[in-house]
Amino acid sequence: KNQVEQSPQSLIILEGKNCTLQCNYTVSPFSNLRWYKQDTGRGPVSLTIMTFSENTKSNGRYTATLDADTKQSSLHITASQLSDSASYICVVSGGGYNKLIFGAGTRLAVHP
Amino acid sequence: GAVVSQHPSRVICKSGTSVKIECRSLDFQATTMFWYRQFPKQSLMLMATSNEGSKATYEQGVEKDKFLINHASLTLSTLTVTSAHPEDSSFYICSARDGREEYFGPGTRLTVT
Repeated sequence: KNQVEQSPQSLIILEGKNCTLQCNYTVSPFSNLRWYKQDTGRGPVSLTIMTFSENTKSNGRYTATLDADTKQSSLHITASQLSDSASYICVVSGGGYNKLIFGAGTRLAVHP
Repeated sequence: GAVVSQHPSRVICKSGTSVKIECRSLDFQATTMFWYRQFPKQSLMLMATSNEGSKATYEQGVEKDKFLINHASLTLSTLTVTSAHPEDSSFYICSARDGREEYFGPGTRLTVT
């Protein structure tokens, strides 16, 4: 069964601290893996997209990694800011129909 | 980056009425658009795939007669919630694919009273 699992479900950190969000997937065949940021009441916004051959990709203070062998990805946020408070969703494209398979998301709260 | 817009952003309607939500790709043409529904604290759930010039493809469990989708042009798809009920209250999000990138609209909050 094609699934994307994220951990933790929620996370609270202090402003300025770093954090890492995890994503495990069982999607086959695999096309690419994306991380999205979704602010409350808004649509998701793309942070990174990685294909099978890409191990790491950065977008400002966001760095995503991908281990296609273990089917794991992580999103590292450096020097967190209050505006980083949002849900972060791991999405895998594949499963034979190039559909997007969504994780449940990690709700991050950055406190001053 | 590419922009996808939705209109309206919020709508309140009475039970039994119909509501139309528009999704537009502003700076690219999209032969395929997608409609999602999101309940509080849950992730997006794909409802249907909207194909320009042909019938939409609905996910299992989604009533095609209740959620009417029209993709009349390469930049516009509409979702009509017919005979809305309170349980249809949700956050509806569309997306459009440009190459391998998928761009999401800002969402429409539907409240059925």
